Amino acid sequence: KAGVTQTPRYLIKTRGQQVTLSCSPISGHRSVSWYQQTPGQGLQFLFEYFSETQRNKGNFPGRFSGRQFSNSRSEMNVSTLELGDSALYLCASSPDGRTANYGYTFGSGTRLTVV
Amino acid sequence: GQQVMQIPQYQHVQEGEDFTTYCNSSTTLSNIQWYKQRPGGHPVFLIQLVKSGEVKKQKRLTFQFGEAKKNSSLHITATQTTDVGTYFCAGLFISNFGNEKLTFGTGTRLTIIP
Repeated sequence: KAGVTQTPRYLIKTRGQQVTLSCSPISGHRSVSWYQQTPGQGLQFLFEYFSETQRNKGNFPGRFSGRQFSNSRSEMNVSTLELGDSALYLCASSPDGRTANYGYTFGSGTRLTVV
Repeated sequence: GQQVMQIPQYQHVQEGEDFTTYCNSSTTLSNIQWYKQRPGGHPVFLIQLVKSGEVKKQKRLTFQFGEAKKNSSLHITATQTTDVGTYFCAGLFISNFGNEKLTFGTGTRLTIIP
């Protein structure tokens, strides 16, 4: 079965712009989580969506937002980009949203560079 | 907030030597998961430990969960070049409201000297 698909793979944006990243989870998976990975901070939790509802949120500013559609696909948006937003953005899906039962399956990520 | 600390940050070993990474949480975990990320890749789920004192093995890899469910370790016996990568632990915290949050450790980057 197909894995977690993230698009685009690479993105270069200018400071002040906004960006939208997309994630299609494994078919049948209803939970999608987003993480930001940087060399200095490791994997930082952004938010988690389950059945179109945000269930959990990390400690990121309001410039970071997301949503989930009825087909479980998810998007995250970053507005007013800053240089510090340069990172690998990873999407992870799980079957029923309860990670107590399953591990996450990660996508290949979107590498965002802000110049 | 919940934090998961992982040591060491880097480990360089000769091929054939053993390797261990340790994970510690400030609070009790619901479970702990381990992931491996190859250079240029994404994290791949390895295993999940749920019970206090649990030990699981995958070929040359041994995973342990502490009795207090606050610490964990991953031990690799006789490392091979295919073991290169960053190993992350991830602790699952469940709030009083039932919300789950998977918090990743800082990772241990393993390099192998052939």
